[in-house]
Amino acid sequence: GAVVSQHPSWVICKSGTSVKIECRSLDFQATTMFWYRQFPKQSLMLMATSNEGSKATYEQGVEKDKFLINHASLTLSTLTVTSAHPEDSSFYICSASAPGGTEAFFGQGTRLTVV
Amino acid sequence: AQSVTQPDIHITVSEGASLELRCNYSYGATPYLFWYVQSPGQGLQLLLKYFSGDTLVQGIKGFEAEFKRSQSSFNLRKPSVHWSDAAEYFCAALGAGSYQLTFGKGTKLSVIP
Repeated sequence: GAVVSQHPSWVICKSGTSVKIECRSLDFQATTMFWYRQFPKQSLMLMATSNEGSKATYEQGVEKDKFLINHASLTLSTLTVTSAHPEDSSFYICSASAPGGTEAFFGQGTRLTVV
Repeated sequence: AQSVTQPDIHITVSEGASLELRCNYSYGATPYLFWYVQSPGQGLQLLLKYFSGDTLVQGIKGFEAEFKRSQSSFNLRKPSVHWSDAAEYFCAALGAGSYQLTFGKGTKLSVIP
C-alpha cells in the first residue's frame, strides 16, 4: 500500500513554544489529508481536513489559531501546535487519500509531550 | 447521525483461541467499511476493507470480516489468535462521496499466553 510518513515520531517541548509536525505522502499525491488527535485509550478524533491549496476545514471545538494546518503541496501537510500547553500533550496522527481514492493511509503518529 | 459502534472496550483471549470483534454502523446508505489495527505508540495499519461484492472479506495477518447488511455489522474474526495480535482494533466507515472516516471507539485485545 501507499506510504505516509509523519515526523517527528515524538517530541517534548516547553510550555509556550510551538511545535511543527509534518505529514508526507511518499509515493502518491494526496489532495486531501486529515489530522487526528488521540488521547490515551481513546479513539481518533478528527481535528481538521486539509485540502491542497486551500484553507483547512476544522471540526467543531478545534481552535484553528492554535492548530495551524498548511497543505502547501500534494505531498506535504503540516500541523503546527502554537503556544503549546500541557493539555495539548497527545498523540497526533495524519492520514492521506489519493484523488478519487476511498482508502486512507496513516502516518506513524507523533507523540507530543508539553512540559 | 452517522456513527460506528464497537460494543466491546476490552477483550481478552487465550493464544490459539478464536476471536471476534464486533462493529456496528449507522449510516443512511451502506458505507465503505474498514478495520485498522494500532500497536502501542504507532499509527494505524489497515487490516481489510469492504466496498461491495462478496460479504466475507479476507485481510492481512489471517483476519477476515463479514459484512451483514441486515444487522448493520462488520465483525472482525480470526480463527486462532497469536500473542502478537495484542493491540487496539478500530472499525471505521466512509460514507459515499465523503473523505472523512468515522471511527469506532476501539477494542483493546489482550492475549493470554
